[in-house]
Amino acid sequence: DVVMTQSPLSLPVTLGQAASISCRSSEGLVYSDGNTYLNWFQQRPGQSPRRLIYKVSNRDSGVPDRFSGSGSGTDFTLKISRVEAEDVAIYYCMQGTHWPRTFGQGTKLEIK
Amino acid sequence: QVKLVESGGGVVQPGGSLRLSCSASGFSFRTYAMHWVRQAPGKGLDWVAATSFDGSDKFYADSVKGRFTISRDNYRNILYLHMNSLRADDTAVYYCTRLTNWEEAVYWGQGTLVAVSS
Repeated sequence: DVVMTQSPLSLPVTLGQAASISCRSSEGLVYSDGNTYLNWFQQRPGQSPRRLIYKVSNRDSGVPDRFSGSGSGTDFTLKISRVEAEDVAIYYCMQGTHWPRTFGQGTKLEIK
Repeated sequence: QVKLVESGGGVVQPGGSLRLSCSASGFSFRTYAMHWVRQAPGKGLDWVAATSFDGSDKFYADSVKGRFTISRDNYRNILYLHMNSLRADDTAVYYCTRLTNWEEAVYWGQGTLVAVSS
């Protein structure tokens, strides 16, 4: 199975500052169709998850543009340009290329 | 609007069985692959199983292979997860999700809690 490793696991951030989460996969995530199926999810306390980013860098509808995704191969990053209070959540990467699908351990973002 | 409503959770003894259901509405259920994802108390997301749009292909996490079976009824718009030989580490909230790799929106239910305990 593809192992997804996130860092850091805990991320204290000052309001208005930038935040960055790394996700590394144990195998490359390029599918046979040429696409890289790496997703990012946000899970706020007490809520179901919400997808933010698909195919590495594409924002879902309604996701603020302060969220951005980048990366290739086995190294991927989620960046929040200016953290707001509503961004307090756990963030997960998930690969959609290989079966079984696998999630990272999650990164808990909190406000300093 | 799209709705996914899980049911069937509860308390079950180790070694027991349970069947979860997910009732889907607001979209063409028969044209989408569907997944189950679980989350143990205070833990992260754990992908469990998926079925293709027509039920012909099924995929499982290693931890549930041989014990869990995913199925669907495209006439009644219901997704199922049949769980056998349940263990304490299967205790989790189980989410039904229309998980896609593409720009189409991803939808999640509110989850149903399964607690395996003697």
